[in-house]
Amino acid sequence: AQSVTQLDSHVSVSEGTPVLLRCNYSSSYSPSLFWYVQHPNKGLQLLLKYTSAATLVKGINGFEAEFKKSETSFHLTKPSAHMSDAAEYFCVVSRLFYNQGGKLIFGQGTELSVKP
Amino acid sequence: DAGVIQSPRHEVTEMGQEVTLRCKPISGHNSLFWYRQTMMRGLELLIYFNNNVPIDDSGMPEDRFSAKMPNASFSTLKIQPSEPRDSAVYFCASSQQGSRIWNTEAFFGQGTRLTVV
Repeated sequence: AQSVTQLDSHVSVSEGTPVLLRCNYSSSYSPSLFWYVQHPNKGLQLLLKYTSAATLVKGINGFEAEFKKSETSFHLTKPSAHMSDAAEYFCVVSRLFYNQGGKLIFGQGTELSVKP
Repeated sequence: DAGVIQSPRHEVTEMGQEVTLRCKPISGHNSLFWYRQTMMRGLELLIYFNNNVPIDDSGMPEDRFSAKMPNASFSTLKIQPSEPRDSAVYFCASSQQGSRIWNTEAFFGQGTRLTVV
């Protein structure tokens, strides 16, 4: 079965410092992986997705993630945090239903705080 | 496109009342999802439709919950009777998926915040 584990429920960084949000996945086949962001009282927005084309995926707002099959990881990074990055981040894996598309399985989320 | 549209944005109801949440997916999308978000359980998938047919409803909590998708542009999630523990934010999402494009992302609505008192 497909699942994701976000290793930190809360991460706090200072503005201008790097961001690392960790995610491990479990999948019996080559997975599709996503990172979504949710700002307070808002819906969810796609940051980036991995679909086996390239292991290093670039997303919006300067975020990127690297797919590492040997480590079953898909960590999200950003070189320099901005105050507006404060939000909750979800790592997501897609579970395939044969010939019927796929459903998204969400991790528990990591809340990112950015200090001035 | 206006994106996924959910209504109402906020709903406050008394325990025992029927609640109906509505969703209009993005035009052309063939998959629709209902999620529930709470502090305790995070984001839970309740039900997933593909081409208006329910594919997986294993996440529906109990018989009090029901979902329909009468056509490609409309879905409802109904709770009858409602209970305080149903209080949560309910999200609808849609995507375009098929046998070979199952890895496409889902687009989320703004959610409906339900409070049952």
